[in-house]
Amino acid sequence: DARVTQTPRHKVTEMGQEVTMRCQPILGHNTVFWYRQTMMQGLELLAYFRNRAPLDDSGMPKDRFSAEMPDATLATLKIQPSEPRDSAVYFCASGRAGTYQETQYFGPGTRLLVL
Amino acid sequence: AQTVTQSQPEMSVQEAETVTLSCTYDTSESDYYLFWYKQPPSRQMILVIRQEAYKQQNATENRFSVNFQKAAKSFSLKISDSQLGDAAMYFCAYRSAIPGANSKLTFGKGITLSVRP
Repeated sequence: DARVTQTPRHKVTEMGQEVTMRCQPILGHNTVFWYRQTMMQGLELLAYFRNRAPLDDSGMPKDRFSAEMPDATLATLKIQPSEPRDSAVYFCASGRAGTYQETQYFGPGTRLLVL
Repeated sequence: AQTVTQSQPEMSVQEAETVTLSCTYDTSESDYYLFWYKQPPSRQMILVIRQEAYKQQNATENRFSVNFQKAAKSFSLKISDSQLGDAAMYFCAYRSAIPGANSKLTFGKGITLSVRP
């Protein structure tokens, strides 16, 4: 049963610290999405990759957030420095471009709390 | 830009009964996909059902079915024979099917469904 995996599942850190979240997309999927879920904003896209190339990162605060795909099996989302307003659940999702509906499958999320 | 609206923040249903969750969307595109995702307390996002805009036939998946009204831009989810495990937050989502368009999902705010035993 192929799944998207995310680590860590939970992270508590202090303001100003660097946070790195990792995602392993489903094998064979070539699109990766990072979404953030908060009570106020709901689910919103932060960044989107296809074939490891960033296609849309307009939802990401550029001064502190960065997203990369070092290889096809790993996507990372970094926050440096972290702030309390970054507290949220961060989801990674993957899909296969060009396939039927290109359905996105979500990982379990990383719950981040910045104190 | 596309928007998705779920105007009911909460709903409740008796176990074994049927419930319908509403969703409307706004788009100028003619080709797109619509999805319902379920988010139980574990926070995992689980795909429930999907619909292609070009298909007139409503999608069904076991106890889950949709009522897709393209002209009205409405996409409701019907859950039949509700079970305790159906209690969760449900999100309606839109994705463009235009070639070259951004593949991101645009979500509604979600609706919390509770199931009474």
